[in-house]
Amino acid sequence: AQTIHQWPVAEIKAVGSPLSLGCTIKGKSSPNLYWYWQATGGTLQQLFYSITVGQVESVVQLNLSASRPKDDQFILSTEKLLLSHSGFYLCAWSLGPTSQGTGQLYFGEGSKLTVL
Amino acid sequence: AQKVTQTQTSISVMEKTTVTMDCVYETQDSSYFLFWYKQTASGEIVFLIRQDSYKKENATVGHYSLNFQKPKSSIGLIITATQIEDSAVYFCAMREGGQGGRALIFGTGTTVSVSP
Repeated sequence: AQTIHQWPVAEIKAVGSPLSLGCTIKGKSSPNLYWYWQATGGTLQQLFYSITVGQVESVVQLNLSASRPKDDQFILSTEKLLLSHSGFYLCAWSLGPTSQGTGQLYFGEGSKLTVL
Repeated sequence: AQKVTQTQTSISVMEKTTVTMDCVYETQDSSYFLFWYKQTASGEIVFLIRQDSYKKENATVGHYSLNFQKPKSSIGLIITATQIEDSAVYFCAMREGGQGGRALIFGTGTTVSVSP
């Protein structure tokens, strides 16, 4: 069975400090990977996606960057946090890289980020 | 461009009754996939049910069913025999076919509160 794990579960960080959030998928080879951001009480906004190792496409940057160093790992980071970065970050996977799939997403547990 | 709209912000129902929530979508594509997800109080996002645009039959999974009205670009979610644990935020989402790595576009969510 496939599992998806995000870390850390929660972070409290200062404005201007760096950030790194991670996501690991086990039990699925070459998945499509995604980062979503959710403001408190808000909808899910797609940030990045990756269909293969080393390739990441930006949908909405929000002064963040993403990388896929390994097939099963997706990293979200920034060198300088802003107050507007606060929220809930969700990693997800779907069958890929073919475009013929339904696009159904499977989400991780999420990482809650508070920027002070 | 794709758009998903959920106009109901919140719904309150009594346990064991039926709740219906609305979702309207916009797409230029002839092939697309529609989803409903549930977000629990812990933040966990769980897939509930999917409707493929080319299927005329309404999808049903357990006590979840869909009211797919293609001419109206509408995909309503119906939960029968509600339970306390159905209290959550429900998101409607859409993916157009042939979108490659692009993921789901989500609506703004409907909060459902089930009372005993």
